[in-house]
Amino acid sequence: AQTVTQSQPEMSVQEAETVTLSCTYDTSESNYYLFWYKQPPSRQMILVIRQEAYKQQNATENRFSVNFQKAAKSFSLKISDSQLGDTAMYFCAFMGGGSGNTGKLIFGQGTTLQVKP
Amino acid sequence: DGGITQSPKYLFRKEGQNVTLSCEQNLNHDAMYWYRQDPGQGLRLIYYSQIVNDFQKGDIAEGYSVSREKKESFPLTVTSAQKNPTAFYLCASRRNNEQFFGPGTRLTVL
Repeated sequence: AQTVTQSQPEMSVQEAETVTLSCTYDTSESNYYLFWYKQPPSRQMILVIRQEAYKQQNATENRFSVNFQKAAKSFSLKISDSQLGDTAMYFCAFMGGGSGNTGKLIFGQGTTLQVKP
Repeated sequence: DGGITQSPKYLFRKEGQNVTLSCEQNLNHDAMYWYRQDPGQGLRLIYYSQIVNDFQKGDIAEGYSVSREKKESFPLTVTSAQKNPTAFYLCASRRNNEQFFGPGTRLTVL
């Protein structure tokens, strides 16, 4: 069974600085997808960034980028130029991509990020 | 606007009562999902449906039931058999390899 682990329950960063959130996962599949979701105090789940396992290039979305290490099964999120609006809980998630894929997401425990002014 | 709606936003229930949480989507997605979120934990899958009139148990299905009579709707019933129903419930639908989430329902058992 697949598992996703986020080992940092809480983190903080000064506004305008860079922070990295860690995520490791375990799977025997070769084709899969990885995601970072943001959950602000409103509790709406917002997709931040996604990575296809077959792509070697790390995904980037504006200030958000990932460091995808497939062999190490590591998928960290880097937030550059942190803004107060980045304050939220961040979840790492896994989705299998093989035939018979049910599309269900497996989530890590989450990391609460506080951006300080 | 296309999206997923969940109602109500807050729901209170007395112990021993069944309660149904609504989830509606107008995105024309075939697959829909229900997740439960507890403090300090990630989301856990309760039930999912990949097509109308079909659904499967997720990791924590005990004490819950669902139906999928229409493509747009995937209601979740929390039964009296659910030992610890107080939680935040999120519904999602899927297009290809991306899930889209509703705003959630906070259920409190008194």
